[in-house]
Amino acid sequence: AQSVTQLGSHVSVSEGALVLLRCNYSSSVPPYLFWYVQYPNQGLQLLLKYTSAATLVKGINGFEAEFKKSETSFHLTKPSAHMSDAAEYFCAVSAPRSNDYKLSFGAGTTVTVRA
Amino acid sequence: DSGVTQTPKHLITATGQRVTLRCSPRSGDLSVYWYQQSLDQGLQFLIQYYNGEERAKGNILERFSAQQFPDLHSELNLSSLELGDSALYFCASSVEQGREQFFGPGTRLTVL
Repeated sequence: AQSVTQLGSHVSVSEGALVLLRCNYSSSVPPYLFWYVQYPNQGLQLLLKYTSAATLVKGINGFEAEFKKSETSFHLTKPSAHMSDAAEYFCAVSAPRSNDYKLSFGAGTTVTVRA
Repeated sequence: DSGVTQTPKHLITATGQRVTLRCSPRSGDLSVYWYQQSLDQGLQFLIQYYNGEERAKGNILERFSAQQFPDLHSELNLSSLELGDSALYFCASSVEQGREQFFGPGTRLTVL
């Protein structure tokens, strides 16, 4: 079974500061990893994905994440926060190599951006 | 806009009732997934269909059922509703199994 743990349910950053959201995964097979963002009263939007190619993955809106197998981590970063980044962020894992295509989500991290 | 549509957007009903949630996947996507989002359980996988066939089940209650039709749209049926079924229900689709999933805007179900 696959699972993810997101460290920190709330993160507050100043506008222009680094955004760092932590995600650790557990998987018995090589995982696929994803970050999604959810704005209030909206669905989930895919930010980026890791599917075993390059370990540093670039996504939309200036976000990127690095897959580190040795640390079982897939942390999300953005060098400079913008007010529009205020949202809830979810890390998710699937295991297609074991025919497990469902997404297992972390509990989410809510990001607030201070002016 | 992900290209996945869900109707209705909001649904308010009473305990014991039955409702049907509808999902139209992105054009060309064969796989449909249903997820439930609630404050206490977070985002939970319910069920997956691929080209009309059920492929995986999560922690879906026996009171819940789903199907995918030949035109690839999907419906999630919830019956004998309880207060605890109040949640956001999301549909997602992917072109193939294992590819990234695109989420619809969700249906907010309130059971009174």
